[in-house]
Amino acid sequence: DAGVTQSPTHLIKTRGQQVTLRCSPKSGHDTVSWYQQALGQGPQFIFQYYEEEERQRGNFPDRFSGHQFPNYSSELNVNALLLGDSALYLCASSITPDSYEQYFGPGTRLTVT
Amino acid sequence: DAKTTQPTSMDCAEGRAANLPCNHSTISGNEYVYWYRQIHSQGPQYIIHGLKNNETNEMASLIITEDRKSSTLILPHATLRDTAVYYCIVKEGGSEKLVFGKGTKLTVNP
Repeated sequence: DAGVTQSPTHLIKTRGQQVTLRCSPKSGHDTVSWYQQALGQGPQFIFQYYEEEERQRGNFPDRFSGHQFPNYSSELNVNALLLGDSALYLCASSITPDSYEQYFGPGTRLTVT
Repeated sequence: DAKTTQPTSMDCAEGRAANLPCNHSTISGNEYVYWYRQIHSQGPQYIIHGLKNNETNEMASLIITEDRKSSTLILPHATLRDTAVYYCIVKEGGSEKLVFGKGTKLTVNP
């Protein structure tokens, strides 16, 4: 049983560009959450998707958007990249939106130059 | 902002118990205490959670004080593979998001 998978593993982009990160949830999970983790900090909640809709959102600007597909996989899109967007982006899946346990993927390391 | 306070770092000898403290003095009645850990270069991993009573699973034990203002995560026999950052999180029941602080960097020494 595959756990949460994310692609790509690493990514380098230039300021002003746009990026799309992808996540496949653990088998049997229909809820996906995205987190941003800056170096030396704990992960920060970006948003959560369930039934193809955004359920809850953290304190992130509209440049951060997402999508969930009918197969429960999800994408995180970031427009107009800033240097400060350089971080590890983590995807987590769960059985239900308020499940006590979230399963995290290994993350995508984004570097903005 | 995170509702918890944890020491920045701790050390433990291999084979000994590791006791990681967490203060959550503003916790409300419907908020649970969660513990996750993050081993270097991996995503966070769920360890345990509790509301009022002490909890134990195959990974760890969680001791919550009677007033619920603090808790302790206990790893009974720490191994080198337990070296990680440990996050104590207070989460409202029914809420979807986890609010992480900076956590405690636990180093298990041989």
